[in-house]
Amino acid sequence: AQSVTQLGSHVSVSEGALVLLRCNYSSSVPPYLFWYVQYPNQGLQLLLKYTSAATLVKGINGFEAEFKKSETSFHLTKPSAHMSDAAEYFCAVSTNSGGSNYKLTFGKGTLLTVNP
Amino acid sequence: GAGVSQTPSNKVTEKGKYVELRCDPISGHTALYWYRQSLGQGPEFLIYFQGTGAADDSGLPNDRFFAVRPEGSVSTLKIQRTERGDSAVYLCASRPWEANVLTFGAGSRLTVL
Repeated sequence: AQSVTQLGSHVSVSEGALVLLRCNYSSSVPPYLFWYVQYPNQGLQLLLKYTSAATLVKGINGFEAEFKKSETSFHLTKPSAHMSDAAEYFCAVSTNSGGSNYKLTFGKGTLLTVNP
Repeated sequence: GAGVSQTPSNKVTEKGKYVELRCDPISGHTALYWYRQSLGQGPEFLIYFQGTGAADDSGLPNDRFFAVRPEGSVSTLKIQRTERGDSAVYLCASRPWEANVLTFGAGSRLTVL
């Protein structure tokens, strides 16, 4: 079984400030990890993914995340927030073992607001 | 098509009615997933198709929910005797057989009055 915990349902930052969204996972086998972003009334858009290659993963819109196995974490960061980053962010985990077929398990999401 | 297409984008129905939600995956994507996203929650898995068959339906909440994919492309999620608790956004996603990343549609928002 696998699970994801996103710490903080709501994060508020000032424009230009560092963005840090926290994600911890649980998986009995090596996981694949993802961050998706959801803008209001839209579907989920892939930001970045970790699939057992480099532990520091760069994604779209200046976001990056680091896989830390010892901490079972996959936190999302961006050095400087932009107003357009305001959205809901979801961390997700999947595997392909035991017939999981890359089925995603999502966290509850973190709503990011960016203040001018 | 260029992306995963879901119709209708919005559906309002009355308690007890029957509803069908359609998903048209990206051309050539053999794997298809349905998820349900309730207000303030992350998406929850409902069912997974590989080709025409449902390989994993462990997320369907009860027997009022059913999904088909008769030709291995378009899928329909069917909800019988809808209840107010079924109100949610229903998301569809697809991927090619060899890939590990899901591409999502914009969702169908279902409101049961």
